[in-house]
Amino acid sequence: GAVVSQHPSWVICKSGTSVKIECRSLDFQATTMFWYRQFPKQSLMLMATSNEGSKATYEQGVEKDKFLINHASLTLSTLTVTSAHPEDSSFYICSARAPGTGGRQPQHFGDGTRLSIL
Amino acid sequence: AQKITQTQPGMFVQEKEAVTLDCTYDTSDQSYGLFWYKQPSSGEMIFLIYQGSYDEQNATEGRYSLNFQKARKSANLVISASQLGDSAMYFCAMSDGGGFKTIFGAGTRLFVKA
Repeated sequence: GAVVSQHPSWVICKSGTSVKIECRSLDFQATTMFWYRQFPKQSLMLMATSNEGSKATYEQGVEKDKFLINHASLTLSTLTVTSAHPEDSSFYICSARAPGTGGRQPQHFGDGTRLSIL
Repeated sequence: AQKITQTQPGMFVQEKEAVTLDCTYDTSDQSYGLFWYKQPSSGEMIFLIYQGSYDEQNATEGRYSLNFQKARKSANLVISASQLGDSAMYFCAMSDGGGFKTIFGAGTRLFVKA
């Protein structure tokens, strides 16, 4: 079946560092990918919708300059957490839906990235 | 606006028994999809079952079934013959008719006792 790969799975870095997370659809072309953030023991909160070849659509309250999204190809979307601080520590997870499937098919999720900012 | 509500933060079930996880939703759309995902402690999201708003039959997938009551706007997940490996977080989710965006409920943590 369709697979979404997310890398890295775990990042620990110093405050002020920028961190890039990659999300790849391995066997289908994804014109749209989604980025979620999940705090411990909480639900997934949609951060933004990544659109291939155009600007991402951010949810209300998400800082565009803090969370940069680039969807440069049909198989790759990246999320860059710029100048990360401890409050940015979280579990970030991406997803994509195979094209042409509409709302009936589930999203395929990456395995997530645990980001810890010291 | 769409909303998903899961009112059970945690549930306990005895191994081999059935358990129902509750989910209610609110939407003004006529066409929408309802999903259940399982998230083990390792973090990955595992798709379990889907129900479309126009589907007349309740969805079933192995030990999972979805009790869809459209008038009540509920989409409860039933797990039959619980197994220890079913211990995890369970999320109810909804997408709009175009499948463009999916929102998630707060989740229910299921503990299966031996």
